[in-house]
Amino acid sequence: NAGVMQNPRHLVRRRGQEARLRCSPMKGHSHVYWYRQLPEEGLKFMVYLQKENIIDESGMPKERFSAEFPKEGPSILRIQQVVRGDSAAYFCASSPSEGNEQFFGPGTRLTVL
Amino acid sequence: GENVEQHPSTLSVQEGDSAVIKCTYSDSASNYFPWYKQELGKRPQLIIDIRSNVGEKKDQRIAVTLNKTAKHFSLHITETQPEDSAVYFCAAHNTDKLIFGTGTRLQVFP
Repeated sequence: NAGVMQNPRHLVRRRGQEARLRCSPMKGHSHVYWYRQLPEEGLKFMVYLQKENIIDESGMPKERFSAEFPKEGPSILRIQQVVRGDSAAYFCASSPSEGNEQFFGPGTRLTVL
Repeated sequence: GENVEQHPSTLSVQEGDSAVIKCTYSDSASNYFPWYKQELGKRPQLIIDIRSNVGEKKDQRIAVTLNKTAKHFSLHITETQPEDSAVYFCAAHNTDKLIFGTGTRLQVFP
């Protein structure tokens, strides 16, 4: 049973470009969460999605950031017009249901030049 | 919203000693409290968790205690080993998401 998959593992973008991060949850998990981790800091909640629905996006910046979890395919976190402050590790987690264990993917390390 | 505080930020112990990490939370509605271990450059890994209807849970050398009245919970690692060295995060499940503490960097010296 494969764990949570994320790709790419490393992503380098220049300021102003778009970054697209993908997350495939564990088999049987329909709840997906995105977190951001700045260097030497903790994990900050960004958004919680179920298939085709955004449940809670209270941690996501209002501009440039968007997330989706389509009926088919992985969840995608999209950052438009990236700035240096977007450089961080972005982790996806999945859970079989709300309020239960969340299992994390290996993360995508975004570097903005 | 929920706020989770974690102490200490760094902890150094000798191999074989015990380590204790403490967290407090602010929202009494939080009902699930996991602990994650994160090694450098790796993903957070769930090591133990506790729900609000339980006061203590143990798994080999790791135990977690929860005091709902005081709104604090602690991680206890006994007989520490060098491979326990990592950053440990506590979290509280509130509404529909995990709110994490700021982390404790544990170093176990041989």
